[in-house]
Amino acid sequence: DTGVSQDPRHKITKRGQNVTFRCDPISEHNRLYWYRQTLGQGPEFLTYFQNEAQLEKSRLLSDRFSAERPKGSFSTLEIQRTEQGDSAMYLCASSQRQGYLETQYFGPGTRLLVL
Amino acid sequence: GNSVTQMEGPVTLSEEAFLTINCTYTATGYPSLFWYVQYPGEGLQLLLKATKADDKGSNKGFEATYRKETTSFHLEKGSVQVSDSAVYFCALSANNNDMRFGAGTRLTVKP
Repeated sequence: DTGVSQDPRHKITKRGQNVTFRCDPISEHNRLYWYRQTLGQGPEFLTYFQNEAQLEKSRLLSDRFSAERPKGSFSTLEIQRTEQGDSAMYLCASSQRQGYLETQYFGPGTRLLVL
Repeated sequence: GNSVTQMEGPVTLSEEAFLTINCTYTATGYPSLFWYVQYPGEGLQLLLKATKADDKGSNKGFEATYRKETTSFHLEKGSVQVSDSAVYFCALSANNNDMRFGAGTRLTVKP
């Protein structure tokens, strides 16, 4: 197992365009998380899935953002009509809950720059 | 709500110096506590964790002890190396679906 992977690693787009990012979690993990990290800050929670169900969404996740995990494996995060304020690192993490214990493992992130 | 406060950086040390990065938390219930490290241009890597009071997490010479009485989880290393230069994040998970991170502390180790 090679860990959590994300694609692309970098994306440059023009304001108003749509972008989609992909995350492949560790294969046996049933939970998948998306975070946003801006420069000089820690990651901020966006949303998470347990299997294919999206169980929680942050207020940071505006209606321009949508996430899916159709078969409970990989996930996509789409941003429509991008704005310059969307420029950030988008991180994906996965975990497998064992009782009340859980450790999230992060992917390398997708760095988005909106011009 | 749950939150983490960690020592502001940047921190600059000479090789072989002693490192402490302070982290305190506010949480309801009994959170799990973590330290993650982020190298330039990369995602976060789990460095160590502790799941209950008085637990000590350790990895690669780094240690942190879960102190419930002081709500702290300070990161320490006895002798830092240039390769330890990175940003360190303290984090907590109190309900298993919303991990809260500190703002990060940038460490630079000079030879």
